Amino acid sequence: DAMVIQNPRYQVTQFGKPVTLSCSQTLNHNVMYWYQQKSSQAPKLLFHYYDKDFNNEADTPDNFQSRRPNTSFCFLDIRSPGLGDAAMYLCATSPFSGRATDTQYFGPGTRLTVL
Amino acid sequence: RKEVEQDPGPFNVPEGATVAFNCTYSNSASQSFFWYRQDCRKEPKLLMSVYSSGNEDGRFTAQLNRASQYISLLIRDSKLSDSATYLCVVIGVSEGGFKTIFGAGTRLFVKA
Repeated sequence: DAMVIQNPRYQVTQFGKPVTLSCSQTLNHNVMYWYQQKSSQAPKLLFHYYDKDFNNEADTPDNFQSRRPNTSFCFLDIRSPGLGDAAMYLCATSPFSGRATDTQYFGPGTRLTVL
Repeated sequence: RKEVEQDPGPFNVPEGATVAFNCTYSNSASQSFFWYRQDCRKEPKLLMSVYSSGNEDGRFTAQLNRASQYISLLIRDSKLSDSATYLCVVIGVSEGGFKTIFGAGTRLFVKA
């Protein structure tokens, strides 16, 4: 089945130790998103790609970076994780038809723990 | 004021009840509206899109009121399996294309 896959599902890292989360999709969508969701809060958009065009949200900390080497894969790099970065990280994709009505499809998320 | 605000939860209702959620948004230029459902420790999943004319999918009815800048979700004949958090999503125009904003969610508990 076409889907959005995130690896790993659970990630434990140490304070300040770089970590990379991955997302892959078989939907052939050209838009990919990364969200951060903390407990009982709304998913917060960190950045997104329209194909290779990177769009960073204004309030996304510099500690968060992203790479999209091809249509199928997108990575979230946290350069120096702090305790406040512990959260669920959600990857989503959508087809870009130029309309705001495009539905986003979410992966299962990666739950990050920072020790 | 938050860009997207939802009813504070949780809602505790018995099976078979009708329950309604509201969501208000601040940007009058917002273009698209959705309701997503999120189960505990799972990813959000699209429940339905919301149109000015209103749309219905089985027991679920969504409505958009552009003049008052709110959307609503009505669930009839609640089932135990409806227990989840319901997220309101608003999409507007930004410099990079479209900007997606989630509400904080309304938690629903349906009891036997």
